[in-house]
Amino acid sequence: KAGVTQTPRYLIKTRGQQVTLSCSPISGHRSVSWYQQTPGQGLQFLFEYFSETQRNKGNFPGRFSGRQFSNSRSEMNVSTLELGDSALYLCASSFLGRPKGEQYFGPGTRLTVT
Amino acid sequence: QKEVEQNSGPLSVPEGAIASLNCTYSDRGSQSFFWYRQYSGKSPELIMSIYSNGDKEDGRFTAQLNKASQYVSLLIRDSQPSDSATYLCAVNDYGGSQGNLIFGKGTKLSVKP
Repeated sequence: KAGVTQTPRYLIKTRGQQVTLSCSPISGHRSVSWYQQTPGQGLQFLFEYFSETQRNKGNFPGRFSGRQFSNSRSEMNVSTLELGDSALYLCASSFLGRPKGEQYFGPGTRLTVT
Repeated sequence: QKEVEQNSGPLSVPEGAIASLNCTYSDRGSQSFFWYRQYSGKSPELIMSIYSNGDKEDGRFTAQLNKASQYVSLLIRDSQPSDSATYLCAVNDYGGSQGNLIFGKGTKLSVKP
């Protein structure tokens, strides 16, 4: 089974721009979660989507948004980029059911804001 | 604020030894517990999950859970240099969804040949 895929793998943007990241989950997985990883804060939960609905949201400003499509693919958007948004953005997918809560990560998108 | 605490390390062990990694969590309502391994420059890889008190073994890895003490550990037997990585403890309390993992900041393990 193919794993979680994320595109693009690397991005360089300037402050004030916006960016869209894409995630395709493992086939059959309907839950997609997004995380931000930085050296200082570690891995922090952004939001989770299931059946095109946002089920849970972490403590991030409204500049961070996402959506999920009917094929379970997900995108996240960051508007008005700030230097502090530079991070590794990770997408994880999980299968609703047993084993409960296991999430499988994609390779990530490395975002650099200059 | 729900928290997961890990010793940041680095934890250095000789090849062939047992590496012991520890994690505590703050929320008694937590139901699922996971260990991820993350190599430098890579994404986290799930290596163990545990849901009930006691031990769970998978190859060289043993996860231990004590909900009364709010404590999770990971033992790596016969440690190999290839085990050198950062190990992340994660906890899921559901809160209405299964997609919200709370991560510790990780323990960096170094296995010396």
